[in-house]
Amino acid sequence: QSALTQPASVSGSPGQSITISCTGTSNDVGGYNFVSWYQQHPGKAPKLMIYDVSNRPSGVSNRFSGSKSGNTASLTISGLQAEDEADYYCSSYTTSTTRVFGTGTKVTVL
Amino acid sequence: EVQLVQSGAEVKKPGESLKISCKGSGYSFTSYWIGWVRQMPGKGLEWMGIIYPGDSDTRYSPSFQGQVTISADKSISTAYLQWSSLKASDTAMYYCVRSFNYFDYWGQGTLVTVSS
Repeated sequence: QSALTQPASVSGSPGQSITISCTGTSNDVGGYNFVSWYQQHPGKAPKLMIYDVSNRPSGVSNRFSGSKSGNTASLTISGLQAEDEADYYCSSYTTSTTRVFGTGTKVTVL
Repeated sequence: EVQLVQSGAEVKKPGESLKISCKGSGYSFTSYWIGWVRQMPGKGLEWMGIIYPGDSDTRYSPSFQGQVTISADKSISTAYLQWSSLKASDTAMYYCVRSFNYFDYWGQGTLVTVSS
């Protein structure tokens, strides 16, 4: 069960939009609409940002959006703000009824 | 308010056993899966496994099968993660999470340090 593949880092200027990809296989990302995204600031527990591909929990800014095409899911952050600087992880349900995380992406606000 | 409160940091020697806990409150503990996630120092998140406290149905990541034991005591709304013989490579932060096909509530984390 291999980790989902994410870019190691993505950066953008304040106000810009960035997109983080999350690539898996037909046994996980491509097979189910159960992709979720998490934000983790240093020294803190992760926080759920997107669930079931594109749904936002209550309280999460609408600047965060999710989508999926085939075996690749994406998280887009629009109107980038300094507080968005953090690590981001995707996760997916898998055919073996387990879950798998992505490799993680460090977002830097320039 | 949903809360997952984990036990405190641990410092252990290689070969020792350990059981850390995660107490749920503010929701029906037996109706939701509880999972465990490892984060080694400076590294990413790794899904270890989950348990359904209602019937103790347990699933493990192949990477952690046989290395740890996940259990739960529904009478006290508490889930556990257990090692029988710790290794230095078990040094990490461990989070418990309330699980659907996503993880909506996270514990504060338990730091486990294994060093001779």
